[in-house]
Amino acid sequence: GQNIDQPTEMTATEGAIVQINCTYQTSGFNGLFWYQQHAGEAPTFLSYNVLDGLEEKGRFSSFLSRSKGYSYLLLKELQMKDSASYLCAVLDSNYQLIWGAGTKLIIKP
Amino acid sequence: ETGVTQTPRHLVMGMTNKKSLKCEQHLGHNAMYWYKQSAKKPLELMFVYNFKEQTENNSVPSRFSPECPNSSHLFLHLHTLQPEDSALYLCASSQEGTSGPYEQYFGPGTRLTVT
Repeated sequence: GQNIDQPTEMTATEGAIVQINCTYQTSGFNGLFWYQQHAGEAPTFLSYNVLDGLEEKGRFSSFLSRSKGYSYLLLKELQMKDSASYLCAVLDSNYQLIWGAGTKLIIKP
Repeated sequence: ETGVTQTPRHLVMGMTNKKSLKCEQHLGHNAMYWYKQSAKKPLELMFVYNFKEQTENNSVPSRFSPECPNSSHLFLHLHTLQPEDSALYLCASSQEGTSGPYEQYFGPGTRLTVT
């Protein structure tokens, strides 16, 4: 079966750095997405990785290792507005998105 | 503003009611999706329309019936639902191209409660 694993919940302090991990087992791989979803709102696109390595976009970075079936989202200089759920999703060989259950990130002052 | 709108935002319906959810995308995309989001569960893909043709139907009960009259509009018709159908229903759109799929843009969702 296809599976995406990510922690259910994480807590971090304002101004700090947090890393949200995602591991996957899918039938094929055509890229990995990270989305942010604030409570009661739509998921919004953060990043897309299809090659190994680190993609940096401002305070957010996303890393991919295809051989390990592993990705992480790194958030720096945390702000209160970063409190949200972070969804990992993998595009499988049929170009269907397989979603993780999301990681709820709680930022404390 | 993501360019994808959904109405209504909240809906409470009895098990014998019939209602419809509406989605409209203003992004010129050629693919639209219905997802179900339940608490602490992964997004469940329900239906996919590509160039107005339904290409995915992931074993969704017949009490859910999609309709895609054109590439900008998507409906989800609901009838004789069960309490376990209570969830957030998300619509999304994307531009499918020869170089592969692009990211999906989501609407704000309809919070559905079945009583």
